[in-house]
Amino acid sequence: QKEVEQNSGPLSVPEGAIASLNCTYSDRGSQSFFWYRQYSGKSPELIMFIYSNGDKEDGRFTAQLNKASQYVSLLIRDSQPSDSATYLCAVTGNTDKLIFGTGTRLQVFP
Amino acid sequence: DAEITQSPRHKITETGRQVTLACHQTWNHNNMFWYRQDLGHGLRLIHYSYGVQDTNKGEVSDGYSVSRSNTEDLPLTLESAASSQTSVYFCASRDGSYNSPLHFGNGTRLTVT
Repeated sequence: QKEVEQNSGPLSVPEGAIASLNCTYSDRGSQSFFWYRQYSGKSPELIMFIYSNGDKEDGRFTAQLNKASQYVSLLIRDSQPSDSATYLCAVTGNTDKLIFGTGTRLQVFP
Repeated sequence: DAEITQSPRHKITETGRQVTLACHQTWNHNNMFWYRQDLGHGLRLIHYSYGVQDTNKGEVSDGYSVSRSNTEDLPLTLESAASSQTSVYFCASRDGSYNSPLHFGNGTRLTVT
């Protein structure tokens, strides 16, 4: 079992819809959870981080964390074609190193 | 503005040659990391450092080495390049807090022929 798992996609959503990206992790001791966006040929850029159970909102983005079920998700409201990218979930486990999932490719079509 | 600079952006080398990829950050971060990114594998940790003279192996460290002589730089050396090391390499840094995000460089695309 991989430490951080994501569906590779592609996840295709129409413009204006809500995109839901999911991530599960294996280490129950994980403490910090990050979502990065990566455009093709570019480096990852941080979108959001979350440490506590529940929801955290930032503009069109909402991160949701459920430690009991060991999953973290990212919702993108009012999806735009410019949101088309690969979204990487990253988790700090019982060490302080960041472990990345393989990413979910999101396609937003007009 | 603080940043991380990687060089070169692209490199083609031959099997068996030694190659060094540079990483320089002006964030004044103690923690620096090297990742490689390959299709189907995502970002995998090669080596990392928590400060000057400190280096540690990550999950895919075989064939790679790093040294940390100052805060700003963490060069990655491939001792004898192999075709399996063809990849995109990212350097990253963050401050000492475990819940701090990583700041990434622009990456180096390395091709070993």
